[in-house]
Amino acid sequence: EPEVTQTPSHQVTQMGQEVILRCVPISNHLYFYWYRQILGQKVEFLVSFYNNEISEKSEIFDDQFSVERPDGSNFTLKIRSTKLEDSAMYFCASSERSGGNQPQHFGDGTRLSIL
Amino acid sequence: LAKTTQPISMDSYEGQEVNITCSHNNIATNDYITWYQQFPSQGPRFIIQGYKTKVTNEVASLFIPADRKSSTLSLPRVSLSDTAVYYCLVGPNNNNDMRFGAGTRLTVKP
Repeated sequence: EPEVTQTPSHQVTQMGQEVILRCVPISNHLYFYWYRQILGQKVEFLVSFYNNEISEKSEIFDDQFSVERPDGSNFTLKIRSTKLEDSAMYFCASSERSGGNQPQHFGDGTRLSIL
Repeated sequence: LAKTTQPISMDSYEGQEVNITCSHNNIATNDYITWYQQFPSQGPRFIIQGYKTKVTNEVASLFIPADRKSSTLSLPRVSLSDTAVYYCLVGPNNNNDMRFGAGTRLTVKP
């Protein structure tokens, strides 16, 4: 079964540094998402992306965050100047079509640790 | 977006049927009900989705009453490997903003 893959599995970064998390969505999917999960808390929606544009974003996704699809396969999340509170699991997901009635397929996440 | 309420945790034993109920009193006409499963250190995994009545797949069944204000995920004959957090989500077919709640932590005991 096709999978969403994320790299790296664990990223350790100094506070204030930029970090880029990478995702390869399922190849025929057109909609891409980022979520985060702080340890012990719920999964939080960050952003959805379609046709090279952000389609929805949450209040968490502020100016420190950006997303990009630099080529035909990768989807990235950049945090410009990391803060301690950015420490979390970051999950990428993709879906074939849009909408709450479309299953989203998640990767196994990148654990981001900010020191 | 419709708010959902689920039990925080449930315990079961291997081989039993487990039913997890989710309340979504303010569900809208174009909302679908979707359940995900999450194991520790993994991303959520889609289990099942429905709009009304009953849906069944190889993993679970989803029961939705006529008023759609609740839904029940049914896992037949659970095993230890079904220990996970189960999330109920309700969202419209024109919106990608999925809001997870706290979920139900199911523990299956031998």
